[in-house]
Amino acid sequence: DTGVSQDPRHKITKRGQNVTFRCDPISEHNRLYWYRQTLGQGPEFLTYFQNEAQLEKSRLLSDRFSAERPKGSFSTLEIQRTEQGDSAMYLCASSPSTSYEQYFGPGTRLTVT
Amino acid sequence: DAKTTQPTSMDCAEGRAANLPCNHSTISGNEYVYWYRQIHSQGPQYIIHGLKNNETNEMASLIITEDRKSSTLILPHATLRDTAVYYCIVRVTGTGNQFYFGTGTSLTVIP
Repeated sequence: DTGVSQDPRHKITKRGQNVTFRCDPISEHNRLYWYRQTLGQGPEFLTYFQNEAQLEKSRLLSDRFSAERPKGSFSTLEIQRTEQGDSAMYLCASSPSTSYEQYFGPGTRLTVT
Repeated sequence: DAKTTQPTSMDCAEGRAANLPCNHSTISGNEYVYWYRQIHSQGPQYIIHGLKNNETNEMASLIITEDRKSSTLILPHATLRDTAVYYCIVRVTGTGNQFYFGTGTSLTVIP
């Protein structure tokens, strides 16, 4: 069990560029979550997958954001036409089918200049 | 959307018990209380959870009041490495079972 991993750990991009983040959950965890965290705030839920199905999306997830989990294993979160307000830590978490404890990755810190 | 209220910050002397309160007065009968902590620049770490009975594990104890409107996380012997932001979360049951984090309590353990 290597834990949840996220790549990259840091990303600096210019406004208007597209970025993509990857999350590898703990193996055999069928639930996967994306959260966003800004400075001084707790994580905010963005979206949830059960296996490959995206079952829930927050209102925070504007149409510039898209997430996929094509084979029910790793997931990607893409932000198109980034804005300065997208600067945040993007956290991924996974949980097994047998419980609801979520195990978080280290996050990807995005800075939009 | 957060359903919990926590003090913004607390201090605790090293070696003493840290008691972190949480108010969740609108909790429903089937909603669990979870506690996580987040050390600076890391992802949140699971601590403990409970429904209505008190719970204990190797990290902490969770005391839930009989009416379930509040709870207390107890770190029995705080160390400097326990300095972190502690989040009390009510898990919303349903399709996503996502967590709603508030702003948490920033605990500082003082030598």
